[in-house]
Amino acid sequence: QVLLVESGGGVVQPGRSLRLSCAASGFTFSNSGMHWVRQAPGKGLEWVAGISSSDGSKKDYGDSVKGRITISRDNSKNTVYLQMNSLRTDDTAVYYCAKWSGTYPLYYFDSWGQGTLVTVSS
Amino acid sequence: IQLTQSPSSLSASVGDRVTITCRASQGISFSLAWYQQKPGKAPKLLIYAASTLQSGVPSRFSGSGSGTDFTLTISTLQPEDFATYYCQQLSSYPSFTFGQGTKLEIK
Repeated sequence: QVLLVESGGGVVQPGRSLRLSCAASGFTFSNSGMHWVRQAPGKGLEWVAGISSSDGSKKDYGDSVKGRITISRDNSKNTVYLQMNSLRTDDTAVYYCAKWSGTYPLYYFDSWGQGTLVTVSS
Repeated sequence: IQLTQSPSSLSASVGDRVTITCRASQGISFSLAWYQQKPGKAPKLLIYAASTLQSGVPSRFSGSGSGTDFTLTISTLQPEDFATYYCQQLSSYPSFTFGQGTKLEIK
């Protein structure tokens, strides 16, 4: 079955960097686009970033993180990454990776990881 | 594209029929998904393409709508259905925005 396991979260000071990883198994990773979604404590879901399948040539970011966050993938390791720079206190959230499925325009996120908590605090 | 869910919270009893609505700020055809999230857990896909039930999801869940107005219906509430529900539009790539959520609580 599909399994997504995030790692790399923790406590970090404002202005510092952090890299999250999401290890995938149970499906052909290179064939799937992947996304990161976050959830601040007690708040709703916010789409953060997405990367296309195969070579990951298409990447896109939410307005609140654009310029500070980079998504990438390594198909040899079945892993998608989220490099977060210049972290702010409002980046504090649980970060989920999600598998992108469907065909245009009927997309959906059919599998999610368990999430990794990022806390930005001095 | 903005999504507005209503109500934001809802109290209901086991056995009730419940409907949650999601309104998009512009037409998104059928590009809408619904998720269920329980405390401390990841979201779970219930419905995609507005009305297609994800494999393994009980048939008491159903979705309808197109364009700007969508609904999620739970026909007969079960104890395990008390959770928060989110809609998501997947029309305006790459910004796949979510609604603000509807918390379904036990009356």
